[in-house]
Amino acid sequence: DQQVKQNSPSLSVQEGRISILNCDYTNSMFDYFLWYKKYPAEGPTFLISISSIKDKNEDGRFTVFLNKSAKHLSLHIVPSQPGDSAVYFCAASVAGANSKLTFGKGITLSVRP
Amino acid sequence: ETGVTQTPRHLVMGMTNKKSLKCEQHLGHNAMYWYKQSAKKPLELMFVYNFKEQTENNSVPSRFSPECPNSSHLFLHLHTLQPEDSALYLCASSQGQGGTGELFFGEGSRLTVL
Repeated sequence: DQQVKQNSPSLSVQEGRISILNCDYTNSMFDYFLWYKKYPAEGPTFLISISSIKDKNEDGRFTVFLNKSAKHLSLHIVPSQPGDSAVYFCAASVAGANSKLTFGKGITLSVRP
Repeated sequence: ETGVTQTPRHLVMGMTNKKSLKCEQHLGHNAMYWYKQSAKKPLELMFVYNFKEQTENNSVPSRFSPECPNSSHLFLHLHTLQPEDSALYLCASSQGQGGTGELFFGEGSRLTVL
């Protein structure tokens, strides 16, 4: 049973527009959420995170929104740039509980010039 | 030096071979992990070590044997693998218990089993 779901396998966006990447989770114990970005032939790198006590966290062009009642989070990238083309993984954890992350399958974002 | 270093980056082996993957972290972290990434699947946690002690084995077949001699080094010994074990194997480290779970990944070892 997948506890973190990224139902759309891919997304294509025009440069300069907004990219919205969605993630749903089923485990109500999750209280910390992270997004990772992965380029081909590289390991995933941390992008942005949000604690369950917040509903929004912003870092430059990247904003993560959390809707706890819907068990849904989204990553907004604006404006999108061609260098943002990568696979984006959503992950969740129960903070302090051995810090184990549960990952989604990932979404491949393509930003067209 | 990069935070988490994995060697080799690419490995091709036959089903009867024995090989090892190596991971080293220079971040002073207390926890180290092995993940498996297969095509179109989520990252799958295999093993977790905290302070050199294995704290999680996610029902991994015994043909994968981890070793953690100290908090900075992690190995994955491979023996009589199957073609379906071909995947990207990622090592990661984190602060460990009490942390938020943020992982720092290596670049991965791409394994092909013939």
